[in-house]
Amino acid sequence: EIVLTQSPATLSLSPGETATLSCRASQSVRNYLAWYQQKPGQAPRLLIYDASKRATGIPARFSGSGSGTDFTLTISSLEPEDFALYYCQQRNNWPPPLTFGGGTRLEIK
Amino acid sequence: QVQLQESGPGVVKPAETLSLSCSVSGGSISSHYWSWIRQSAGKGLEWIGRIYSVGSTDYSPSFKSRVTISPDTSNNQVSLRLTSVTAADTAVYYCAREKVGYSGTFESWGQGILVTV
Repeated sequence: EIVLTQSPATLSLSPGETATLSCRASQSVRNYLAWYQQKPGQAPRLLIYDASKRATGIPARFSGSGSGTDFTLTISSLEPEDFALYYCQQRNNWPPPLTFGGGTRLEIK
Repeated sequence: QVQLQESGPGVVKPAETLSLSCSVSGGSISSHYWSWIRQSAGKGLEWIGRIYSVGSTDYSPSFKSRVTISPDTSNNQVSLRLTSVTAADTAVYYCAREKVGYSGTFESWGQGILVTV
């Protein structure tokens, strides 16, 4: 099973700043990596798929990069609504199993 | 715009069977892949399994011996059965639809249902 490790566990920033979230895979997942945002009491929402493709309706301030084992989600000019939990998820060698990272909490400084 | 809604008992006794339904509106379950995913404090997000059309299924090895996902085409629902539950199965259970052409990417989710064992 491929393990996804997200860092940092918590990121404290102010609105207007840029957030850089990391996801590292225990083995190559090629570019088959997605990012999700989750707010309290809500389901995850797809932000980025296949490492760098923005999902429908996702603002341009969200961008993804990386391939193989190292991936980054960048959120530029943070808006108040961006403070949430973020998860990465891989779908390499699918099905199954696919796996999720443990999450990064983005909080207001 | 597809909408998914999970339903079922919020409490299940240990050793019993957890049964949930996912009602789909705005789309047919006969197209797309439909997955069940759960989220617990202890294990985070876990993919349980999926179904395509009227019966093709894939299950996570972690659940394979206990899980059945089946379609109810007359009601446009997808069902989850998980047998022999323990406290470790306490979680929020989500149904989700995969993005066409990007198997294993979840573009639509239900709101989730908390199940306590």
